[in-house]
Amino acid sequence: EVQLVESGGGLVQPGGSLRLSCAASRFTFSRNAMNWVRQAPGKGLEWVSYISSSSSSIYYADSVKGRFTISRDNAKNSLFLHMNSLRPEDTAVYYCAREAPVGTAMVIDYWGQGTLVTVSS
Amino acid sequence: SYDLTQPPSVSVSPGQTATITCSGQKLGDTFVCWYQQKPGQSPLLVIYQDTKRPSGIPERFSGSNSENTATLTISGTQAMDEADYYCQAWDSTTVVFGGGTKLTVL
Repeated sequence: EVQLVESGGGLVQPGGSLRLSCAASRFTFSRNAMNWVRQAPGKGLEWVSYISSSSSSIYYADSVKGRFTISRDNAKNSLFLHMNSLRPEDTAVYYCAREAPVGTAMVIDYWGQGTLVTVSS
Repeated sequence: SYDLTQPPSVSVSPGQTATITCSGQKLGDTFVCWYQQKPGQSPLLVIYQDTKRPSGIPERFSGSNSENTATLTISGTQAMDEADYYCQAWDSTTVVFGGGTKLTVL
């Protein structure tokens, strides 16, 4: 079965930076678009960013635009999220999430277990 | 982009039908997905493209979408269905989630 394993979370001070990684396995990573979705403690799901299979299309939520950068390395089956100028409101579990190959609209069929990012002094 | 509104909570008795709504302007013009999330777990896709069930999802889960409202229906609700449920839509550049509905099976 598809596996998505996030890493890189931790405690960071406001204004700091962090890089999240997601290791994908058991599917052909280069064929699927990917997303980052986050969930603040006790809150709902919030989409963060999307990257197409070839990296030709990239989108961000307004709340992170200009501060976060999504990227991928298809040769290494890896997805990344570079986060700069972190704020306390960025504190959340960050999920790596695969877009299902259904052809229309956005469907997320697999999620990682998440990695916790805490922004606090 | 869409602004999706869900009721914060829904309660249902075991064996009865649970209905969770997701409202958004002209939501019927796009596809909607539904995710189930249990405490401490990652979300699980239960309905996609308005009405389709992924492999392994019980038949008691069904969906519909028309005009401004998408609906997730759980027939014969079981205790194991108690969870948070999120609707989700896509407007070609933005993924939008509803605020989530806590389903309680009393």
